[in-house]
Amino acid sequence: EVQLVESGGGLVQPGGSLRLSCAASGFTLRTYWMNWVRQAPGKGLEWVANIKPDGSDMYYVDSVRGRFTVSRDNAKNSLYLQMNSLRAEDTAVYYCARDILDYWGQGTLVTVSS
Amino acid sequence: QSVLTQPPSASGTPGQRVTISCSGSSSNIGNNYLYWYQHLPGTAPKLLIYKNNQRPSGVPDRFSGSKSGTSASLAISGLRSEDESDYYCAVRDDSLNVWVFGGGTKLTVL
Repeated sequence: EVQLVESGGGLVQPGGSLRLSCAASGFTLRTYWMNWVRQAPGKGLEWVANIKPDGSDMYYVDSVRGRFTVSRDNAKNSLYLQMNSLRAEDTAVYYCARDILDYWGQGTLVTVSS
Repeated sequence: QSVLTQPPSASGTPGQRVTISCSGSSSNIGNNYLYWYQHLPGTAPKLLIYKNNQRPSGVPDRFSGSKSGTSASLAISGLRSEDESDYYCAVRDDSLNVWVFGGGTKLTVL
C-alpha cells in the first residue's frame, strides 16, 4: 500500500526556516517524480515544487523560488522541503504527492506568524 | 487568479448529473493532459481522472472526464451525498515540468 507521511510543520516567525519531511512507503521512490503542494487557509490547492526521480533537477512556483529547496534521499525513502525566509503568505497545509499526484499524504500545517 | 478557470460552486440533487468546467489556454490545457482531484479539506486529495479521461482503479464510473481544445469538464452522474467536496482541475506542463491548478469548485449536494 502506497503511503506518504509528512512531518515537520509548526509555528515559525516571519523570516524563519522550517524543514518538512515526507516518508514514503509501499513503492520504489527512486523511480518517481515527487511534488509538494500546499493549501493556504480558505484557498485552493497550489503546486509548490517537484524533483526528478534521481534528484538531478528541481522546479518551483515563482513565489517560492530562491527561498524553498526540494530534495530527496531515495535510500531513506524520503522527500524534503527546506523553507527559508518564510512569509505570512506561506502559511498553509503542505502535502507531498507522487508523480501525477496520484497519491498524497495527509499534510502538515505550517503557520508563519509573530 | 488561477491560470485555469473553474466555477467557484456547483450543486445538484441526489441522482442528478452535474458537470464542472475548467478552461485554460493553448499553453496549458491545449497542449497537456488534464487531471481532476477531489478534496475534502483536512484530508488527502484524491486523483479522480488522469490523462483527460482515464479513471484510476477504485474510482467509480459515475465520474468521467473530457477535454476539447482549451477546455475540459468533469461529469458526475448519479450524484450522491458523499460527492459533496471540492474539485480541482490541474495540468502538468510537460515542457516546463510544473503543475497548475484551477481555483477549485465546491460541489454541494442539496
